Amino acid sequence: QVHLVESGGGVVQPGGSLRLSCAASRFTFSSYAMHWVRQAPGKGLEWVAITWYDGKTEYYADSVKGRFTVSRDNSKNTLFLQMNSLRPEDTALYYCARDQGAVAVALDYWGQGALVNVSS
Amino acid sequence: QSVLTQPPSVSAAPGQKVTISCSGSSSNIGTNYLSWYQHLPGTAPKLLIYDSNNRPSGIPDRFSGSKSGTSATLDITGLQTGDEADYYCGTWDTSLSVWVFGGGTKLTVL
Repeated sequence: QVHLVESGGGVVQPGGSLRLSCAASRFTFSSYAMHWVRQAPGKGLEWVAITWYDGKTEYYADSVKGRFTVSRDNSKNTLFLQMNSLRPEDTALYYCARDQGAVAVALDYWGQGALVNVSS
Repeated sequence: QSVLTQPPSVSAAPGQKVTISCSGSSSNIGTNYLSWYQHLPGTAPKLLIYDSNNRPSGIPDRFSGSKSGTSATLDITGLQTGDEADYYCGTWDTSLSVWVFGGGTKLTVL
């Protein structure tokens, strides 16, 4: 069974940085696109970013473009989200999710999430 | 304002059927694979339907999906109290080059 575990969440001041990791196991990580999705308190799911299977293409939601960077290390089966210039509105539970395909098809497996709290 | 439009809430009695709609455009639902997700509080979202009408293994056939043009629907029959959750549609938007979710629909089983 596919296994995804996020880590790196925590409390950070506005303007600060944080790096989330997502350790993947029990599947061929390098064959699948990977997403980051977040849910702010009391809000719905908001897609954040995607990296294609080979890590050579990324796309971002407008709300994070220029501040967040998604990357992956296929040799270590790990997905990352570098978050800079954090704002209070970035406070959310951040999920990593596997795509069914090499590019965007459907998000078929999700981690349990990492909590990010941007507060002074 | 989500690119994909869903009703904020739906409700029905146990054993009944409910339909959740998802409306988009030619650059998202009209062109790309459409999927549905169930999100229970405190748990990870779960893929219910992919490619408009296909169920992953383990998803009961009480859940079914369809797509026509730029709209899609999720049907849930034989409602159970355990189906109470938020439901989201999602797809890739070719014009925006982003993944989009609907705003979510809260299902209440009365």
